[in-house]
Amino acid sequence: GENVGLHLPTLSVQEGDNSIINCAYSNSASDYFIWYKQESGKGPQFIIDIRSNMDKRQGQRVTVLLNKTVKHLSLQIAATQPGDSAVYFCADFETPDSSYKLIFGSGTRLLVRP
Amino acid sequence: DGGITQSPKYLFRKEGQNVTLSCEQNLNHDAMYWYRQDPGQGLRLIYYSQIVNDFQKGDIAEGYSVSREKKESFPLTVTSAQKNPTAFYLCASSPGQGALGYTFGSGTRLTVV
Repeated sequence: GENVGLHLPTLSVQEGDNSIINCAYSNSASDYFIWYKQESGKGPQFIIDIRSNMDKRQGQRVTVLLNKTVKHLSLQIAATQPGDSAVYFCADFETPDSSYKLIFGSGTRLLVRP
Repeated sequence: DGGITQSPKYLFRKEGQNVTLSCEQNLNHDAMYWYRQDPGQGLRLIYYSQIVNDFQKGDIAEGYSVSREKKESFPLTVTSAQKNPTAFYLCASSPGQGALGYTFGSGTRLTVV
């Protein structure tokens, strides 16, 4: 799992710029990763996912990169908009004892300056 | 529309009291989960259930209890043994075999007064 319990790091970007949010994971056996967006007082919303047999996956304005060698994920948001302001979490999907559960990282707060 | 409903949205509890948070889903998902989120922090797994009448402890199960008598429902009881219960509680469900379709509710904010 990740370093839970730490206060959120914050990334501040200018509207229109690209954002890069980083995440490290610890379980080398993890084979599926998801990025979530969470707005204040709401539940997390799915953004994009990637399997360990891929290095890159693109969605609408978002790209996820996976580096298995250093156990690192990044989420790139192109042309960041004010509506992108939220907390972003990476999660890896672990299957211990034949169960299935998401283990979340500590998150990054994205602030978009107008 | 299919989804997960958590109720209530806000809940206040006196110290020493038990309180139960409701989570209902109509997605026909086999698995359900409870997470706790403290201000400015990530989500931590409390309990999860893969099938009816079965559940497992997550990373922070102490002071909590759950039941899974129906596929649609997975209530969480915060007992008086939970020393710091003030937090945002999120319920989620998934089809069970994999992370695809993992869906979160809108959360319940519990405050101890």
